[in-house]
Formats: sequence, structure tokens, C-alpha cells
Amino acid sequence: QLQLQESGPGLVKPSETLSLTCTVSGGSISSSSYYWGWIRQPPGKGLEWIGSIYYSGSTYYNPSLKSRVTISVDTSKNQFSLKLSSVTAADTAVYFCARVGRVDDSSGYYYDYWGQGTLVTVSS
Amino acid sequence: QSALTQPASVSGSPGQSITISCTGSSSDVGTYNYVSWYQQYPGKAPKLMIYDVSKRPSGVSNRFSGSKSGNTASLTISGLQAEDEADYYCTSYTSSSTFGIFGGGTKLTVL
Repeated sequence: QLQLQESGPGLVKPSETLSLTCTVSGGSISSSSYYWGWIRQPPGKGLEWIGSIYYSGSTYYNPSLKSRVTISVDTSKNQFSLKLSSVTAADTAVYFCARVGRVDDSSGYYYDYWGQGTLVTVSS
Repeated sequence: QSALTQPASVSGSPGQSITISCTGSSSDVGTYNYVSWYQQYPGKAPKLMIYDVSKRPSGVSNRFSGSKSGNTASLTISGLQAEDEADYYCTSYTSSSTFGIFGGGTKLTVL
């Protein structure tokens, strides 16, 4: 059974860089069938796609966050990571990592496995 | 890119049917059949309930169904049960984003 687990500091100071890692177990991050993504959810609010990455390193970012986001992959550790720079209180959210894949051979790509999420609070 | 528009809340009594709408544009819902719906319980990760507008992943109850008309997609839950009380989010592929956009979410209350 595929499992994803987010890890990283739960508290980040304003203007600093938020860094999170997602460790994938029960499957290979190097599979050509999947992408890997980060989604966040501010307290009491909706979901927002941050960005996604392919095992080869190709990245795709939400235009509204693109200038501050870097997503990378480490296939040797079966992990992918998120860095969000110059954070403010508005970046306080639960951050989820997820796998993006086809549900069947002809379907589009969807978030089919998720981590449990980790709350990151931006505060001094 | 603007979020898809969903009603903030809907409610229904056990056994009834409810429908949640998700309104987009010709750049997303209206053109592409890559609409999905996720169910989220408080403090939990979302779960895929519907994909490709109307398909159900293995293990999802057939009480959940999806459809689309024009720029609006819909999720219908029939035979409402207490366990259906959750937040529901739609997503759609868009011409400007391979990984799509989310709706604002709808809180379903089972009365």
C-alpha cells in the first residue's frame, strides 16, 4: 500500500523559507506513470494546488506562487520536497503531499494518494 | 486562474438526494471532461470520489454520481447517510494548468 508522509518544521518565521519533505513508501517515486504534488489548505479554507513534479525533475507551479516556490525530487531517497520563500501569515496552512496518476488507462490525472498533511504556522 | 464556484453549504435529511454544483468556464469545465470530486472529513486528507466527470474509483459507493452540463459540473449523493457529512471539492483540468484548479468547497450537512 502506497503511503506518503510529510515532514518539516511546524513553525516558520515571517520572511523565512518554509521547507517540507514528502517521503514515499510502498512504491517508487521514479515510476513513469505518476507525478507528485503539493497542495495546501489554510485553516477553515479550501484547497490550493502549489505545484507538481515528475521523477525526471520537470516541475509545474501555480502561477500565483511560482516566484516563491521550488519543488525538487530525490529519487535515491524516494522523496520530493517543497520550498516556499518569503513566507507571511497568509502561508499558514496544512500542507499535503499527493500522488497524481491516472485512475484507469484512459482517464485524466488525479490526486489518488495523499499524505496526512502537516500544519505549518508562520509566526514570529 | 480563478477557483471553480461551489455553494458554501448544502444540507439534506437521511435518505434524501442532494446535488452540489461546480461552475467554471469554457477554459475548464466547459471544454474538458477531466472533472473530479473529493470528499474531505475534518482533519483528514481528501479522498477521490468521482473522476472524468462521472466515473467512480473502485470502492466508492454507487450512491455518488457525477455529471456535467455546459460550464457546470454536479455531484449527486443519493440515499443520504450520516457518514456523508463532509466537505466536497471539485477540480477541473484547465487550459492554463495541467494540474487543474480546485473549487472553493461545499460543506454538506446531514440533518
